[in-house]
Amino acid sequence: QVQLVESGGGVVQPGRSLRLSCAVSGFTFKSHGMHWVRQAPGKGLEWVAVVSYDGSEKYYADSVKGRFSISRDNSKNTLFLQMNSLRGEDTAVYYCAKDLYHTSHGGPFDYWGQGTLVTVSS
Amino acid sequence: DIQMTQSPPSLSASVGDRVTITCRASQSISDYLSWFQQKPGRAPKLLIYAASSLQRGVPSRFSGSGSGTDFTLTITSLQPDDFATYYCQQSYSLAAFGGGTKVEI
Repeated sequence: QVQLVESGGGVVQPGRSLRLSCAVSGFTFKSHGMHWVRQAPGKGLEWVAVVSYDGSEKYYADSVKGRFSISRDNSKNTLFLQMNSLRGEDTAVYYCAKDLYHTSHGGPFDYWGQGTLVTVSS
Repeated sequence: DIQMTQSPPSLSASVGDRVTITCRASQSISDYLSWFQQKPGRAPKLLIYAASSLQRGVPSRFSGSGSGTDFTLTITSLQPDDFATYYCQQSYSLAAFGGGTKVEI
């Protein structure tokens, strides 16, 4: 069955960096775009970033552009999110999500991980 | 950027009720609209995509309609398992979510 497992979350000071990983199994990873979506405590869902199936195209939400970087390793079925210059407003549960389609850049997202909590605090 | 507006932000309903949630896009998104259900502490679950296509395994009491800028999620005969928060999401231009609708007893 399809599984997405995030890791790498934790408590980090403002201005520091963190790298999230998402290990996937159960589907052909290299054939689908992959996304990061976050949810601040008690708030709604916010799309963060997408990487195309082959890693050649990457797009970001304005709120993270220039600070976050999405990437993937198709040989290891793993998705990454490098987060730099972290701010308090980046505190959230971060979900990785699989794109239903091969070439879409916006979803929909048919499978999600369980999420990993990132807390930015001094 | 495309903005998604959901209404109402919350609603109270009873088991067996028919529930309708609306979602409006700030510009036309054709049928690039999905609906998700989220329960506390859980990841969202895809219910509807392409405005009206039911995701595999989702009960038929869920249905979606609309195109352009105005969309609707309908739950016929609300079940106890349906009390949750629902989000719409556009995929016409990257991705953006609505603010959510909490369905409460």
